[in-house]
Amino acid sequence: EADIYQTPRYLVIGTGKKITLECSQTMGHDKMYWYQQDPGMELHLIHYSYGVNSTEKGDLSSESTVSRIRTEHFPLTLESARPSHTSQYLCASSNSGTQNWQYFGPGTRLTVT
Amino acid sequence: QKEVEQNSGPLSVPEGAIASLNCTYSDRVSQSFFWYRQYSGKSPELIMSIYSNGDKEDGRFTAQLNKASQYVSLLIRDSQPSDSATYLCAVFFPTGGGNKLTFGTGTQLKVEL
Repeated sequence: EADIYQTPRYLVIGTGKKITLECSQTMGHDKMYWYQQDPGMELHLIHYSYGVNSTEKGDLSSESTVSRIRTEHFPLTLESARPSHTSQYLCASSNSGTQNWQYFGPGTRLTVT
Repeated sequence: QKEVEQNSGPLSVPEGAIASLNCTYSDRVSQSFFWYRQYSGKSPELIMSIYSNGDKEDGRFTAQLNKASQYVSLLIRDSQPSDSATYLCAVFFPTGGGNKLTFGTGTQLKVEL
């Protein structure tokens, strides 16, 4: 079934740890995105990718990094987690063409203690 | 600066009433407009898209677009408590490449029994 997956769904981790949030999609979409959203607050685009080996920073500055080695996979890494990174991270994908809508994964809720 | 503006609410309507959600955007060349619904703690899900002036109906939902006024709205008929959520307006602003949506801050809708 075509879908977008994020793992883990919930993560509680200590300060200073390195973490990688996984995002994979089986819809054949070429574009992928990472958003950060605090509870009750707006979505902020932090990274996006137009295709393999293409990544760009989004509108909100983030200490995280991303990579796009395979079309279907767009992991996000934090080298040293801090309490200020506590948030929900949402991955989305879309296809080239005229429709332009984005399809979201279920999200990862990250808590850094 | 490409902007999408929404009233944050909350908008409270009684069960069975029509809920009217509004959105304005800053760029006249925008061609694609979307409404997402986001339940608390969940990821956004696409509920309507509209690309041309006028009304588009899908079940209890009607999207209305007026490009001259740079205005898009969502009507929900026969509102149900299950419609209580935050509704995000998203507009595609054409850039040099790729497709990035700009999201509004969302309007919280509360449907009361």
